Order: sequence, then structure tokens, then C-alpha cells
Amino acid sequence: AQSVTQPDIHITVSEGASLELRCNYSYGATPYLFWYVQSPGQGLQLLLKYFSGDTLVQGIKGFEAEFKRSQSSFNLRKPSVHWSDAAEYFCAVGAKSSGDKLTFGTGTRLAVRP
Amino acid sequence: EPEVTQTPSHQVTQMGQEVILRCVPISNHLYFYWYRQILGQKVEFLVSFYNNEISEKSEIFDDQFSVERPDGSNFTLKIRSTKLEDSAMYFCASKGQGLPYEQYFGPGTRLTVT
Repeated sequence: AQSVTQPDIHITVSEGASLELRCNYSYGATPYLFWYVQSPGQGLQLLLKYFSGDTLVQGIKGFEAEFKRSQSSFNLRKPSVHWSDAAEYFCAVGAKSSGDKLTFGTGTRLAVRP
Repeated sequence: EPEVTQTPSHQVTQMGQEVILRCVPISNHLYFYWYRQILGQKVEFLVSFYNNEISEKSEIFDDQFSVERPDGSNFTLKIRSTKLEDSAMYFCASKGQGLPYEQYFGPGTRLTVT
């Protein structure tokens, strides 16, 4: 069964500082990996995704993530955080077959200090 | 840009009542999903639907739940007899055929069972 672990429940960073949110996955084959962001009371917005190829993927809002197969990780990074990045971030894994479900991590809530 | 829509945005119902949550997926998508998120918890898969039948369902999706695509545009989730523990945000998602393997999420329906 696939699973996702986000070890950090809550992270606070200062505006302008760099950010890294951790995500580890468990899946038997090469997974599809996603990062979603959820602002309070809002739906899920896709930040970026990895299917194959280049292991460093770029997303929206200046985010990037790196797939490391040896570490079963897909950490999300941003070089300089803005106050508007305060939200909850979910890592998710999907299977390489059409129509398969996404399994989400428990999320990391990001707070940004002015 | 096409988007998934959901109605209503908030539904309050009494325990034991039936509710129908409605979704309009992106028009050329073929795969449809329901997820739920209990307040403060992670997003959980409920069911996937393709070619007018359920592809996969989770153990949460018991006999009280059903899904339907009554026409060419709507995708509904029915809960026959709601329980207090059904209170959650329910997200609909849809996906097209083949790559990009990306599920597009609606804004959610907040269901409150009293």
C-alpha cells in the first residue's frame, strides 16, 4: 500500500527566508508525486508534480521539489518565502495506472513571520 | 481555465438525513473522484469512478455512500443516512485520459451534521 509521511506538522519561517518541507513516500514502484497547497477554507491547488525524467521539478509561485529515489523523498523548497505562502501544504503519491487514487500526507502548516 | 465546481459550498443537515453533494467535473475528463477531509486531518480518498462504474473505493465508502453520474456533466455523492462523523469537507476531483496524470480539485463542500 502506498503511504506518505510529512514529519513536520507546523513550521514557522521569517519572510524572505528559505523553506524546505519534507515528504517521504512508500510505494512499490516509481510513483507519481504531487505537492498541493490549501489556504484556510479553500480547496487544493496543485503546486507541482513529478512523473518521470528530470528529478528537479519547478512549480507555480516559485516552488520547486526534488525527487530522490534513494531516500524515497520529494521535498518542497522555496528560496525566499512571502507572507502569502502561509498555508497548509500536502504531499501526495499516486500510482502509475490511470484512475488511481491519491494518498495524502497529514500536511505541514506553514506560518510566516513578518 | 476550466475548473471543477461543487455545490453547495456549505450544507448543514440533521443526523439521519440524506444529502447529495454535487460536482461538475472538467468537461472532457473521464475519471472522477471524491475525497474528504475531516477538520484538522488529512485528505482521504473515498471513491474513484470511470466508465459509469466505481473503479476503487476505500473502507470509508460503505453502504451509506453512493456515487452517480446522472447526466453528461454532473457527478454526485449521496450519503443515505448521515452521521455526526460524516461532518467534513468533501472534495470532488477529475482527471483526463493519459498524461498529465493530474487530478483537478474542486473548492469543496463543507458538510456539517448536527
